[in-house]
Amino acid sequence: GPKVLQIPSHQIIDMGQMVTLNCDPVSNHLYFYWYKQILGQQMEFLVNFYNGKVMEKSKLFKDQFSVERPDGSYFTLKIQPTALEDSAVYFCASSSPGLGKQYFGPGTRLTVL
Amino acid sequence: GDSVTQTEGPVTLSEGTSLTVNCSYETKQYPTLFWYVQYPGEGPQLLFKVPKANEKGSSRGFEATYNKEATSFHLQKASVQESDSAVYYCALSDNDNNAPRFGAGTKLTVKP
Repeated sequence: GPKVLQIPSHQIIDMGQMVTLNCDPVSNHLYFYWYKQILGQQMEFLVNFYNGKVMEKSKLFKDQFSVERPDGSYFTLKIQPTALEDSAVYFCASSSPGLGKQYFGPGTRLTVL
Repeated sequence: GDSVTQTEGPVTLSEGTSLTVNCSYETKQYPTLFWYVQYPGEGPQLLFKVPKANEKGSSRGFEATYNKEATSFHLQKASVQESDSAVYYCALSDNDNNAPRFGAGTKLTVKP
């Protein structure tokens, strides 16, 4: 079936540095999402992105977070600067308009030291 | 805001026994309800979704009925298998394009 890819699978960085998480969504999907999952805890919604704009974001989507999808390439989540509490697995998802079915990637495990 | 509450895990069952994972929700909208399954090292996969009240969704022997009066969407399976061991998430969305909001997840372990 359709697959969402995430690059890298693991990332370790020092607190205060910038990190970019990459998502390769399902071809022809137009809605993109990021979720955060701290180990052993639930999936928390971060942001919903469509047509170059943030459509919806949660209180977890701090000012240090930004998303973009330049020219139909990867959908990215950038964190600048990172904090210890940003350590988590970040899941990307994509969907086609109106179908109500989101496809999730395998996640990127981010460790902030 | 919208929220989902589900059976707190973990749940351990023997193969062949029945499963019920409770899910209740709060919303002011008319949501679509989902059950997702997540295996270790993977992202959540949609098990099934039900967009309308009083309808039932099913997949792989799992089923749930959208009960609008009780605001519930309990997941059931008559006979679980070892391969069903995973984390199960109830979720809701008030719009096909909005992001589903997940419950806390219920970890199921099925022993042979």
